[in-house]
Amino acid sequence: AQSVSQHNHHVILSEAASLELGCNYSYGGTVNLFWYVQYPGQHLQLLLKYFSGDPLVKGIKGFEAEFIKSKFSFNLRKPSVQWSDTAEYFCAVRTGGGADGLTFGKGTHLIIQP
Amino acid sequence: DAGVIQSPRHEVTEMGQEVTLRCKPISGHDYLFWYRQTMMRGLELLIYFNNNVPIDDSGMPEDRFSAKMPNASFSTLKIQPSEPRDSAVYFCASRFTFGQPQHFGDGTRLSIL
Repeated sequence: AQSVSQHNHHVILSEAASLELGCNYSYGGTVNLFWYVQYPGQHLQLLLKYFSGDPLVKGIKGFEAEFIKSKFSFNLRKPSVQWSDTAEYFCAVRTGGGADGLTFGKGTHLIIQP
Repeated sequence: DAGVIQSPRHEVTEMGQEVTLRCKPISGHDYLFWYRQTMMRGLELLIYFNNNVPIDDSGMPEDRFSAKMPNASFSTLKIQPSEPRDSAVYFCASRFTFGQPQHFGDGTRLSIL
């Protein structure tokens, strides 16, 4: 079965710092990759997704992610974070072959200090 | 678009009681998913439906858990009898056909005392 690893459970940054959150998955076949964000007290929202094509994907709120197939990675980046980016971030994978639900990483809790 | 609607938002009950969580997917979406979120295990897929038919329930933890989707606009997740270890946030999500992202509801925060 596929699994998703997010290496950092808690990240604390100052405003304007650059962000990179790691995500690795274990599955050798075709995958769809997602990053979701959960702001305090709110539901999960899609930040960006990768299905095929350009491995550098741009999402909402200035976030981007790069799919590196050889490394089974899909790291999330943002060049300059804001206090409002404080949230929990989840990487998720959906595999081909009919399995349709998402497998999530355990999440990274990001705190941005003003 | 109203989004995925879950009720109740919060539920506190004593162990042994029956708990029913409800979900209304986005109109026109033909896939519906139930997830559970805990600190220890993160987000886990419990079960999903396609066109009201359960497709994969391998994530359902025990026979105490059951889910139904009697029509395209309503699904329930039932726990009977409930136990303290069932305490978690339960999310419902829906999406329209393959290749589209899932849209999540606000979740139900369940506390079993």
